[in-house]
Amino acid sequence: KQEVTQIPAALSVPEGENLVLNCSFTDSAIYNLQWFRQDPGKGLTSLLLIQSSQREQTSGRLNASLDKSSGRSTLYIAASQPGDSATYLCAEGGSNYKLTFGKGTLLTVNP
Amino acid sequence: GAVVSQHPSRVICKSGTSVKIECRSLDFQATTMFWYRQFPKKSLMLMATSNEGSKATYEQGVEKDKFLINHASLTLSTLTVTSAHPEDSSFYICSASRSTSGLLYFGPGTRLTVT
Repeated sequence: KQEVTQIPAALSVPEGENLVLNCSFTDSAIYNLQWFRQDPGKGLTSLLLIQSSQREQTSGRLNASLDKSSGRSTLYIAASQPGDSATYLCAEGGSNYKLTFGKGTLLTVNP
Repeated sequence: GAVVSQHPSRVICKSGTSVKIECRSLDFQATTMFWYRQFPKKSLMLMATSNEGSKATYEQGVEKDKFLINHASLTLSTLTVTSAHPEDSSFYICSASRSTSGLLYFGPGTRLTVT
């Protein structure tokens, strides 16, 4: 059974700081790794998708890496802003588009 | 980007009644949709995979007779929670795949409260 673990569970940083969110997974045969953002009481917004053949993806201030051999992915957020405050979820993608989610990291960026 | 909608966004029902939640892909056809459940401070758990024109595939531990899934068209999947109990109160989210890229688009979720 695949498991996805996210560390830390919560993180509070001052505005402008660069930060890293961590995700580890147990399935070495993943198809892809996705990072999502979830605002309170809302659905999910896809941030970045890394295919199993890729090592990283970038979108604006976000950079996600994937290391299949160690079963780890990181989400790097540069120059954090209060609007970045949300829960960030990583999900391991298996066959048939199935996703296994971590519990998320609750990020608070203080102005 | 692709849009997936859910209706209703919030619903409160009495114990023993049934509730239907709709998931629609608004600007693309989705042969496969997924239903997830999220309890407070817990991760999203996949409940079932909904395939257009065929029976849904349920994850282990999910009662198929309690959570009825119908995927009648390429743009609509419905989840019906039958004989709801307070422990069914949760946030239900659907997702749909637009292409073979593996990218899933998620609906905004439905908050179900069973009293």
